Amino acid sequence: ILNVEQSPQSLHVQEGDSTNFTCSFPSSNFYALHWYRWETAKSPEALFVMTLNGDEKKKGRISATLNTKEGYSYLYIKGSQPEDSATYLCVHYGGSQGNLIFGKGTKLSVKP
Amino acid sequence: SAVISQKPSRDICQRGTSLTIQCQVDSQVTMMFWYRQQPGQSLTLIATANQGSEATYESGFVIDKFPISRPNLTFSTLTVSNMSPEDSSIYLCSARGQGRTDTQYFGPGTRLTVL
Repeated sequence: ILNVEQSPQSLHVQEGDSTNFTCSFPSSNFYALHWYRWETAKSPEALFVMTLNGDEKKKGRISATLNTKEGYSYLYIKGSQPEDSATYLCVHYGGSQGNLIFGKGTKLSVKP
Repeated sequence: SAVISQKPSRDICQRGTSLTIQCQVDSQVTMMFWYRQQPGQSLTLIATANQGSEATYESGFVIDKFPISRPNLTFSTLTVSNMSPEDSSIYLCSARGQGRTDTQYFGPGTRLTVL
């Protein structure tokens, strides 16, 4: 994998549902993985930064895991709320140039 | 942390004109960047804004089309020159420290539509 790939591209869930989405990234020259939440007309907000294989981070109802050997990260949202509606961006910091590479994001819509 | 403001927040421009976007950070930061997100695409780095010297452009982006200034550690501008409809995008200013795990902060973006 040369790029950062996120799936699904979009997701529609009901309030109260738990959900998760995936980020795949190059497993070579890995330094760090960032997750951001981007609400329309607002600044992308940093959620997590993870660096070690097996890392798990949690912030309220949102958590993330990291597997650097196989090159993927999962983001979980427990009991989704309408205010969770946003685009979730995965960002890989790595490569020979140490560049930030962004995924296209997963757009989550939570219906009340 | 850093709070980044951008203006304008949105604009609709005519083909062939230019637009300058301003970015202000509320604290001194080491690195500032300009990104673009075209419809349905990933955020793409345009350039790194260097204080007091020419910006460092990514492949596919040139100074004549996207002149950038950074006169001090907290302020930068991006100009989109001789615009065409293909330049319709969200343009984001960003800033962070030099560490690999430093949080990268973003402005709210400038939504540009070129007719």
